[in-house]
Amino acid sequence: SQQGEEDPQALSIQEGENATMNCSYKTSINNLQWYRQNSGRGLVHLILIRSNEREKHSGRLRVTLDTSKKSSSLLITASRAADTASYFCATTSGGSNYKLTFGKGTLLTVNP
Amino acid sequence: GAGVSQSPSNKVTEKGKDVELRCDPISGHTALYWYRQSLGQGLEFLIYFQGNSAPDKSGLPSDRFSAERTGGSVSTLTIQRTQQEDSAVYLCASSSYGQGNRYEQYFGPGTRLTVT
Repeated sequence: SQQGEEDPQALSIQEGENATMNCSYKTSINNLQWYRQNSGRGLVHLILIRSNEREKHSGRLRVTLDTSKKSSSLLITASRAADTASYFCATTSGGSNYKLTFGKGTLLTVNP
Repeated sequence: GAGVSQSPSNKVTEKGKDVELRCDPISGHTALYWYRQSLGQGLEFLIYFQGNSAPDKSGLPSDRFSAERTGGSVSTLTIQRTQQEDSAVYLCASSSYGQGNRYEQYFGPGTRLTVT
């Protein structure tokens, strides 16, 4: 069953622009992670934010978490063509810190 | 260093046949996971192994699915009497406990299973 739901389902932008993807989930979480998947490198972990954190940065990535709204956003700044991929949020909840429940993903296309 | 490897990369089988999918985790990783990715269901957790603990099999969709992990390293996912709805990409991941990024899972390239 899906816990996270990303929106938009697809996003197309020009190189250099920022891309924002959102994720909503249904139950209380332990942590929320974002993953990227493209044909070249498979599924790759990007960033993890814990339930008691509100914002986290890693390079050009910025993740926010609003537990009151059960939502998270991933911002990619100064996008590059190489950022073209599907982006998934994944949550862990309950007594498990390992079982990832993935959303359906956002397909990001960055046009050169 | 070497990442998670999976074999075969592609598998086509006839309905009703059994298949075995193999996963070699990153050396030293004590946790191993299997997921399934399909168009209809997205990415789904199947099973989790951690050290010598009993595996969490809560995601296995039916008793036709089983997995084992030998010697705390290589894992095999077996699907018996395959059905067309088993067609999907099967992803294996591993992670390391006891270190800072212990919740980060490293995924293999997957095995694309097609049941005809």
